[in-house]
Amino acid sequence: DSGVTQTPKHLITATGQRVTLRCSPRSGDLSVYWYQQSLDQGLQFLIQYYNGEERAKGNILERFSAQQFPDLHSELNLSSLELGDSALYFCASSVEGALDTQYFGPGTRLTVL
Amino acid sequence: EDQVTQSPEALRLQEGESSSLNCSYTVSGLRGLFWYRQDPGKGPEFLFTLYSAGEEKEKERLKATLTKKESFLHITAPKPEDSATYLCAVVDNQGGKLIFGQGTELSVKP
Repeated sequence: DSGVTQTPKHLITATGQRVTLRCSPRSGDLSVYWYQQSLDQGLQFLIQYYNGEERAKGNILERFSAQQFPDLHSELNLSSLELGDSALYFCASSVEGALDTQYFGPGTRLTVL
Repeated sequence: EDQVTQSPEALRLQEGESSSLNCSYTVSGLRGLFWYRQDPGKGPEFLFTLYSAGEEKEKERLKATLTKKESFLHITAPKPEDSATYLCAVVDNQGGKLIFGQGTELSVKP
């Protein structure tokens, strides 16, 4: 158990819909990262938040957004969903930056029908 | 553009048959290289961090090494429970993100 929690574990929805994924970091970690993992793309970095502020951005679509709240939990919002958004979404946390060890949560499996 | 390439894509071993996984990278100034293990449907589990060429780290049957262009994950006398996908990732001198390779799927048969 990494100490990072993610909810829900599974999510099934339809094209065009909007969903919210939630992540709670390990106690003491200030950074939260979001990743997308699909069969053909591997593990892709989406975005990082540090202590409530956006710190780094990867290949995140404009339809996706994230935020980190004062209690340090984070949410990833996915809107106007397409079939291709079906994937595993992982959250990771670290003490501070990307050079610190990132501990991954169990993931949310999103299926868009 | 930063790139991480892992080989082979898949590796089948008999229990006790030692081997190595390769991670070659092209980055603008390596700041750190990470190895993770991932079981199907689960989140990656941290194994090692290497920061400079010549560095080595060991944990049970696993040993990671780093050169200026690649890293190796050596598996000595593997057991079936070592079966997993092994992921390599790098942080470049921009420092902002982990760039992952596609992984090596290791299968160890008894």
